Amino acid sequence: SYELTQPPSVSVSPGQTASITCSGDKLGDQFVCWYQQKPGQSPVLVIYRDSKRPSGIPERFSGSNSGNTATLTISGTQAMDEADYYCQMWDSSTALYVFGTGTRVTVL
Amino acid sequence: EMQLADSGGGLVKPGGSLTLSCEGSGFTFTNAWMSWVRQAPGKGLEWVGRIKTKNEGETTDFAAPVKGRFTISRDDSRNTVHLQMNSLKTEDTAMYYCTTETPFMWFFDLWGRGTLVTVSS
Repeated sequence: SYELTQPPSVSVSPGQTASITCSGDKLGDQFVCWYQQKPGQSPVLVIYRDSKRPSGIPERFSGSNSGNTATLTISGTQAMDEADYYCQMWDSSTALYVFGTGTRVTVL
Repeated sequence: EMQLADSGGGLVKPGGSLTLSCEGSGFTFTNAWMSWVRQAPGKGLEWVGRIKTKNEGETTDFAAPVKGRFTISRDDSRNTVHLQMNSLKTEDTAMYYCTTETPFMWFFDLWGRGTLVTVSS
């Protein structure tokens, strides 16, 4: 089965840039989206179709996807961005949805 | 305001059954694909299954760990989707989230608050 690998944790200072990677075989050939999940809350979509932001998501969230790696970038990270982040794609070969392993972002 | 209200979770013994429900509001329910995603305590997200629209034959797909044990149905007259879970295992213990999808967009744009299922003797 297809696997998406993320680093378990990323630490960032307030105001700095956090980059979260999501790796998978030929991932750049598929659309990737990203979810933010704060403790005790449901996930929230922050990026879809590699780089598009849903209404209401701050501009500091951006995404890219090429080769075997998709990246979620948080520019000017704020304390409120501290959360778990998950990438997700639809595997067209199996017609199933796959989530990444998740990354905890800590704002120090 | 678009909302999903999921319900029906609880404590069930291994081998038992449970049905979860999810009522949608604030959007055109009949046009939405409905999925269930679960999260075991302290773990990551796992897609469970999905039902397409009536126009698409209410086709369902399931992840391997639940295929043959779980079914999904929808009642568009009540804006409700159900997840029927049979032959439950301890590893099915998780928070279960109801989600919506715009057809062929391949992401989950609205999530319910979740309902907790605990499988334990």
